[in-house]
Amino acid sequence: NAGVTQTPKFQVLKTGQSMTLQCAQDMNHNSMYWYRQDPGMGLRLIYYSASEGTTDKGEVPNGYNVSRLNKREFSLRLESAAPSQTSVYFCASRGGLAGALSIYNEQFFGPGTRLTVL
Amino acid sequence: EDKVVQSPLSLVVHEGDTVTLNCSYEVTNFRSLLWYKQEKKAPTFLFMLTSSGIEKKSGRLSSILDKKELFSILNITATQTGDSAIYLCAVEPSSNTGKLIFGQGTTLQVKP
Repeated sequence: NAGVTQTPKFQVLKTGQSMTLQCAQDMNHNSMYWYRQDPGMGLRLIYYSASEGTTDKGEVPNGYNVSRLNKREFSLRLESAAPSQTSVYFCASRGGLAGALSIYNEQFFGPGTRLTVL
Repeated sequence: EDKVVQSPLSLVVHEGDTVTLNCSYEVTNFRSLLWYKQEKKAPTFLFMLTSSGIEKKSGRLSSILDKKELFSILNITATQTGDSAIYLCAVEPSSNTGKLIFGQGTTLQVKP
């Protein structure tokens, strides 16, 4: 099993360009998440999908859109990139049913995408 | 507003030292608290805590939760250079989403 995979690993954009970050998991997890990580700020939730067919805003959704393409894939789109979106982006997934407290509650993270917007 | 605060933000120790990392939280309807270790890339899961007073252990790492005082600690004994990393604390509020609220992280550097 590959776990959670993300593409690309690195990307440089110019202000105003658009791009889509791809994420896929092969663990049959129900929930998927997109975070950004900036120095000294931990991980901040951008968007999440608690189950296939649903998406919701997290803490910092402005400037982003998401698509839960199927149970495996959850993409993040920047329509018009800005320098403030320079960050490391992590995708994560979580097994178990949404709302269920179980030993399978931890989130598993992908390797990250380092994005620079000039 | 839900929040998680970690302290210290950074720490430098020498091999063999014992360290204690702190995590305090304010969330509505607490469900669980998780600790992650982040080296160069993705955070990796260490512990999940749901009940007060029950210590979780894995080798030289241990963690405990106090739901009355709203905090958790992560202890690392006999530190090694391989323990150098960012340690992240996250809290899951009770909801149907599985969302996590992360603290800022503690950067630990262990010198030989």
